Amino acid sequence: EAQVTQNPRYLITVTGKKLTVTCSQNMNHEYMSWYRQDPGLGLRQIYYSMNVEVTDKGDVPEGYKVSRKEKRNFPLILESPSPNQTSLYFCASRAQDRSNYGYTFGSGTRLTVV
Amino acid sequence: LAKTTQPISMDSYEGQEVNITCSHNNIATNDYITWYQQFPSQGPRFIIQGYKTKVTNEVASLFIPADRKSSTLSLPRVSLSDTAVYYCLVARILTGGGNKLTFGTGTQLKVEL
Repeated sequence: EAQVTQNPRYLITVTGKKLTVTCSQNMNHEYMSWYRQDPGLGLRQIYYSMNVEVTDKGDVPEGYKVSRKEKRNFPLILESPSPNQTSLYFCASRAQDRSNYGYTFGSGTRLTVV
Repeated sequence: LAKTTQPISMDSYEGQEVNITCSHNNIATNDYITWYQQFPSQGPRFIIQGYKTKVTNEVASLFIPADRKSSTLSLPRVSLSDTAVYYCLVARILTGGGNKLTFGTGTQLKVEL
């Protein structure tokens, strides 16, 4: 089944403890993105990647890092999480296809930083 | 990126046609219009995309006037399972073909019996 898989689904951590949220897609997609969703603010793009080793900042990149060493994986790294990074996170991917601009989203990771 | 404006909420009944209009006054020439559906605690699901005129797929239709400053998502004969948040997005096609997405606040559609 074509899908974007995020892990973990739920995570509670403490301030300052480094964590990584993994994202993997099995569709050989070139483009991948990370979003966070907060009540009243909607979905905001954190980082995106257009291919292996090509990444760029989205609208809210502060406090996050990403890497794209392999085409299928796009992990989101929080070096020193803070409570304001408590949110619902989504990873998404799409093919480099000029006829289809729709992204496939993962099921989400609910992160709580205490 | 063009800012989008949608109604915050809409109510409908099963079997009715629902039209959700989105305003995107500052849309640029190389922007595409896309719509997503999101259920609580799930990732958004891509529904439809368009550049101009009308597009139809098995789920919905998308109407875009000539000036492209607005678009209307049409859901035929909605059911209870169509209760969700619908997002209108303007996708900016970047150099190399990638696109940057900016989600608005979406429209909460509630379908009742």
